[in-house]
Amino acid sequence: RKEVEQDPGPFNVPEGATVAFNCTYSNSASQSFFWYRQDCRKEPKLLMSVYSSGNEDGRFTAQLNRASQYISLLIRDSKLSDSATYLCVVNRGSGTYKYIFGTGTRLKVLA
Amino acid sequence: DAGVIQSPRHEVTEMGQEVTLRCKPISGHDYLFWYRQTMMRGLELLIYFNNNVPIDDSGMPEDRFSAKMPNASFSTLKIQPSEPRDSAVYFCASSFSDRGYNSPLHFGNGTRLTVT
Repeated sequence: RKEVEQDPGPFNVPEGATVAFNCTYSNSASQSFFWYRQDCRKEPKLLMSVYSSGNEDGRFTAQLNRASQYISLLIRDSKLSDSATYLCVVNRGSGTYKYIFGTGTRLKVLA
Repeated sequence: DAGVIQSPRHEVTEMGQEVTLRCKPISGHDYLFWYRQTMMRGLELLIYFNNNVPIDDSGMPEDRFSAKMPNASFSTLKIQPSEPRDSAVYFCASSFSDRGYNSPLHFGNGTRLTVT
């Protein structure tokens, strides 16, 4: 079993739709969590950090559920420009500084 | 501000040749990471440094891979000898631990390696 798991998709949604991705992690000691976005043939870029109380940045909302060991990303009012792969990232903490990536969820927003 | 700088952007080499990938982290960042990305395995952490010291190299696939960080502004990842299965995109990333584990990673543009 992988330490960080994501549904690879693809998720094909129409413009304006709301879409949600989940990511599960197996290490209960994991300290911090992030969502990254990666466009085709580009480097991953930070979308947002995920805080324990949940956080929002414009159309994007991230939530953390430590009891069930998953994080989620909600995108409202999808834009064509949101089409990308979304990577879930977990920092193991506990004396290590390892950032472990999920394999990503592909999103395609359709006109 | 300059981001993480990697070179070369593309590298095509023949099996058996030595390959050296280079990375300049963001100035002031105290952590540096090397990742490899393939379609099959996604992003895999190879090795990371803290203050130029290798901390964890458990992701380095074989002895053919080595990494160094001689100073705070430069790191190399070397593959010798290279094999076709090493073909991948290699990313360097850096981080500043001012927020501890909440500090995000900043990636370079990557080096696309093809070994024929």
